[in-house]
Parts: sequence; C-alpha cells; structure tokens
Amino acid sequence: DTEVTQTPKHLVMGMTNKKSLKCEQHMGHRAMYWYKQKAKKPPELMFVYSYEKLSINESVPSRFSPECPNSSLLNLHLHALQPEDSALYLCASSQDQGGKGETQYFGPGTRLLVL
Amino acid sequence: AQSVTQLGSHVSVSEGALVLLRCNYSSSVPPYLFWYVQYPNQGLQLLLKYTSAATLVKGINGFEAEFKKSETSFHLTKPSAHMSDAAEYFCAVTVTGGFKTIFGAGTRLFVKA
Repeated sequence: DTEVTQTPKHLVMGMTNKKSLKCEQHMGHRAMYWYKQKAKKPPELMFVYSYEKLSINESVPSRFSPECPNSSLLNLHLHALQPEDSALYLCASSQDQGGKGETQYFGPGTRLLVL
Repeated sequence: AQSVTQLGSHVSVSEGALVLLRCNYSSSVPPYLFWYVQYPNQGLQLLLKYTSAATLVKGINGFEAEFKKSETSFHLTKPSAHMSDAAEYFCAVTVTGGFKTIFGAGTRLFVKA
C-alpha cells in the first residue's frame, strides 16, 4: 500500500469556523508533512513531523495547528482562517532516513475555500 | 541556500516529439534532486530522483534526467511525448540532513495531437 489518503476532498468554511483536515498513511513512514499549494504555484512546506514530533514549522500563522496523534495520522486544525488561506492542502509522508533524499509520497489534497 | 530554477513556465510539444524540461539548481553541498509530476486536481507523484549513485537517472513513464554538476543542471527528458504526459512538472531539491524540499516554480507541459 503506497497510498496517502486525505479527507475531506473539498472543504468550504467561514472565517469563524473551526475545521480539521485529516491525513493517513499505512506505509510505516515516520515523517509526515503538510504543504499549501496556491493555484499555478509550487507546494510550500508548512510543517514536518518526524517520529511524531514537530520537526519543522515554516513560520506558519497560529490559525493553523498541526497534530500527529500517531505515526499513521496527521491532522491540521483550522481556526479563524482568512480568504487568502484558500488553497490546496497536501499531505505527504516519507520513511524518515534522517533527511537523506527522502522520497515523499503525496496525498490527493484537500481543496479549501474560505469565505 | 538551496534553490531550483525551472526555465519555461509552459512547454508545448507535438505527440511523439522529444520532451525537454529544464531545471538548474543552486546548492553549496551535494544535493538530492527530484522531478515530480502533478496531474489536474491531484497530488504530486515522484517521477525520479538523483541521490549521487548515477548521473543518468531513469524514472517512471519513460522519463529520465541527467545530473550535470558542471552545468548545475538536472533536465528532464522523454524521447516521445504522449497525450497523457500533459501535466505540471516540478523540479525539487533537498539538502542532506534536512526534510525541507524546495520546489521550482513548475513547468506546464502541453502535448498537441
């Protein structure tokens, strides 16, 4: 199984809502990532978890809150988002070989629209 | 700091023609280099990666790339384009010891019948 799944596929939320994005993998990977991708732009790294510990936070606003409950799951909690946060949110995972040319496996993404 | 530059935001080829997508990297240390493909409304899929084992790297779907240190390039090629190759292609670099992957701006490949 080389699949990373993400739910929901689409999400529409108001600026006062609280929602969560979920990501799951069963490849035994120990590194998991969140990326944000705006239309016609490359993915931008947001967070990296290594062995369930937050390893990288790319100065992401606190209205985005990541959580890694176990090695297979990764959540992104959303609160008080702005319209400019509308984007495709991609989850990825990798084996975690200490950052030695990690091959990342990407999920299909959650397309988020903030009204 | 590491970076990649993709030359050409759009490339158009005829079906059956050679595909050449250009990528130049900047890195003060030996890099790990990747090519990913993204089809509309999908996530990214790894085409191939360079990890210093061999300078000519073969990937999936008939793609290959050659690492040229003297030119700091890692161009992606495919001898004969297929309609199904139409997609967005991203070159990316990761530095040893880090999880951070830097993506190029992307090149949209169009394939004409």
